[in-house]
Amino acid sequence: KQEVTQIPAALSVPEGENLVLNCSFTDSAIYNLQWFRQDPGKGLTSLLLIQSSQREQTSGRLNASLDKSSGRSTLYIAASQPGDSATYLCAVSEGNQFYFGTGTSLTVIP
Amino acid sequence: NAGVTQTPKFQVLKTGQSMTLQCAQDMNHEYMSWYRQDPGMGLRLIHYSVGAGITDQGEVPNGYNVSRSTTEDFPLRLLSAAPSQTSVYFCASSYGPGGPEAFFGQGTRLTVV
Repeated sequence: KQEVTQIPAALSVPEGENLVLNCSFTDSAIYNLQWFRQDPGKGLTSLLLIQSSQREQTSGRLNASLDKSSGRSTLYIAASQPGDSATYLCAVSEGNQFYFGTGTSLTVIP
Repeated sequence: NAGVTQTPKFQVLKTGQSMTLQCAQDMNHEYMSWYRQDPGMGLRLIHYSVGAGITDQGEVPNGYNVSRSTTEDFPLRLLSAAPSQTSVYFCASSYGPGGPEAFFGQGTRLTVV
């Protein structure tokens, strides 16, 4: 069974810092990997999608990488802002479902 | 473009009651699924559907029932609510089980007392 792990579980940084969130998965036979943002009491908003054949994707200040062979993905956030405070979830798509990590709770301190 | 719409947003049930959580999408996606989110456990798949008339169980299906009579709608039924079903429920849709991209509703926060 696919298992997805996210480290760290929580992270607090001062505004302006660059930061990296980590996601690892146990089975490399994935269709794709997706990073989501979840604000308290809200649904999931898709940030970046990396297909299994791709190595990275970028959107604005966000950059996500994928290394299928090692079962790892990173989400890089440049020049963090207080509005980036949220929980970040990664999910891998395999078989008939998405498998989610438990998320990293990010707080950006003004 | 509404995307994925879930209703209700909040619900309180008494143990033993039944109810249906509604989910509708307007993107003509074949694949729809229901997840529950519990603290420290991430999102876990309850049931999924790969098209109208086709449903299957996920990781935690007990106590839940689904049907898919149209492409747009995928309701989740709680047959006899239990306190262990207190959770936040999310409906998701995508073109296929492999995505490429999954779209989520805003969630239903269910409390069973």
